Amino acid sequence: QVQLQESGPGLVKPSETLSLTCSVSGASITSFYWSWIRQPPGGGLEWLGHIYYNGYTNYNHSLKSRVTISVDTSKNQFSLTLTSVTAADTAVYFCARVFSVVDYPGGFDFWGHGTVVTVSS
Amino acid sequence: ILLTQSPGTLSFSPGERATLSCRASQSVNSNSLAWYQQKPGQAPRLLMYGAFHRATGIPDRFSGSGSGTDFTLTISRLEPEDFAVYYCQQYDSSPQFTFGQGTKLEIK
Repeated sequence: QVQLQESGPGLVKPSETLSLTCSVSGASITSFYWSWIRQPPGGGLEWLGHIYYNGYTNYNHSLKSRVTISVDTSKNQFSLTLTSVTAADTAVYFCARVFSVVDYPGGFDFWGHGTVVTVSS
Repeated sequence: ILLTQSPGTLSFSPGERATLSCRASQSVNSNSLAWYQQKPGQAPRLLMYGAFHRATGIPDRFSGSGSGTDFTLTISRLEPEDFAVYYCQQYDSSPQFTFGQGTKLEIK
């Protein structure tokens, strides 16, 4: 069974950098695209970006200048960094696996439980 | 591409049939249209992919339809565990994933 687990600080100060890691088990990180998605309190889902094992990335256009996703194939992990955070970045952050439908990105079939990140001084 | 789910909340009784709408601002590749169910405190769960294919383990009371800019998720007979928030999602060639804002299905 594929499992994903987010880890990282639950509290980040304004203007600092948010860093999270997603550990993957039950699947090789070299076989799929992997994504970060967030959900603000009481809000909807926002895709942040995704990465392939070779380092190929796509990012949400609205956050592109602040988001970086990286991969560590030796640890079967991928990571998120978000710079210059504000209170608006307070959210539950999910990592997820991207699946394909006829070689086209179809959506997210396995998700982590999510980790709460609060931006506050 | 923007996805609009309306209304934001729907009220039904168990046993009733529910139809949820997802409208796109431009035509969507049906292969990239998915639906998710989310319950409080949980991660979203994949329900449908490719517009009308049920994900593994999803009961057949859930069905999806549509093409182009209009997509629908139908729950034929609502069970108590179906009351949740439902999101549609698409992927386009920008390339970007986007989600609708969600429809909350509540018990009448």
